[in-house]
This record gives sequence, C-alpha cells and structure tokens, in this order.
Amino acid sequence: GIQVEQSPPDLILQEGANSTLRCNFSDSVNNLQWFHQNPWGQLINLFYIPSGTKQNGRLSATTVATERYSLLYISSSQTTDSGVYFCAVNTNAGKSTFGDGTTLTVKP
Amino acid sequence: DAGITQSPRYKITETGRQVTLMCHQTWSHSYMFWYRQDLGHGLRLIYYSAAADITDKGEVPDGYVVSRSKTENFPLTLESATRSQTSVYFCAFRTSGGAGEQFFGPGTRLTVL
Repeated sequence: GIQVEQSPPDLILQEGANSTLRCNFSDSVNNLQWFHQNPWGQLINLFYIPSGTKQNGRLSATTVATERYSLLYISSSQTTDSGVYFCAVNTNAGKSTFGDGTTLTVKP
Repeated sequence: DAGITQSPRYKITETGRQVTLMCHQTWSHSYMFWYRQDLGHGLRLIYYSAAADITDKGEVPDGYVVSRSKTENFPLTLESATRSQTSVYFCAFRTSGGAGEQFFGPGTRLTVL
C-alpha cells in the first residue's frame, strides 16, 4: 500500500515563529487533506488540497502531486496552534492513509 | 459541528465482553469509516462502507464487526474485547462519494481492562 511520511516528527517553536511541515507519499493520490488534532483530541480539517496552493489566514498549504509531496506552512505561530498535524492521502475506494503526524509545541 | 456524532464518548470494559460503538451522521453521505488511534500514532483504518449494506475491511479489521443497515448509522462492534483494543476510535464520513473531503466525529476513548 501507499506510504505516507511526515517530517519533522516533533517541532518546538517560540510564539511568533514560522514553520513548514512536510508530507511525502509514495504513489499517485486522488486527494490529500491536512488535519490538526488539538490537545483535546479533536480532528479539525485544515485543507483539502489534491494539488496547488490554498491559504486560510496564517496557514497555507501546497501540494505538488507530480512530485508526491505536500507542505503546510504556519506563519506567526500561536500557542493555540499546538497539537499534532496529520496529512492523509486518498488513493481509491475513498480510503485514506494517514501519516504518523508532526507534533507541534508553541511556547509563549 | 461536522454533523457526525459518536457514542459513548468514554467506555471502560473488561476483556472478553462485547462492546458496540455508535456512529451517526446527520447527512446522507455514502462513505463512512472507522479508524483507531493508538497513543502517539496516526489513524489506522478498521472498516469502511461505501453505502448501506456495503462494507469492506481496512488495514486492521481483526476482532471487529460492522454493519450498515441505514445510511446514517455505522456501528462498530468488538465481539470479544482484548486489551490490545484499548484505543481511541474515530468515525468519519467522506463527501462527494469516494472523492471528497473527510470529516471526523469527536472520538470514543475505549479502555479494556
């Protein structure tokens, strides 16, 4: 099956810093999503981004499907950005494969 | 609120007991999924359903049973719970058939003693 690798596994930032999270996948995908799992365990949809670039406030994402990777950018990080960021790829039959996530800690 | 609920939110049970986790969507999306998330890891697919009465195995189906008699409900049953099934269970639906965006319920934290 498809392999999904996220990097870095852990990231510690000071409030106000910028960061880039990466998601590599081993095969062609139909679509890709980024999620934020907050400290209470809730999975929050960030981006549905099969290709191209999208922006939502301080967050933006870029997927280059031909090169099999996606990037999530967080600018001017806040403590509320802390949590785990997952990417999930969808190949066929609607099924998704998740990466192991990047744990982000933003310190005040 | 994505329009998907799970119950119970927390459950403690004993080894060997049968447990059913409920999942309900307020929409009528065809695709629904069950995942488990073990401490410090990503989500792994247990079972999924493409429509009522159509289900299929995911990555880790052993020890679980699903049914889908109605489009809006997708219960997950642990026939004889084991300690290794202690986990957080997430239900989800996908919009636009199999190609759309996936939305998750709040999760059920299950502890098997």
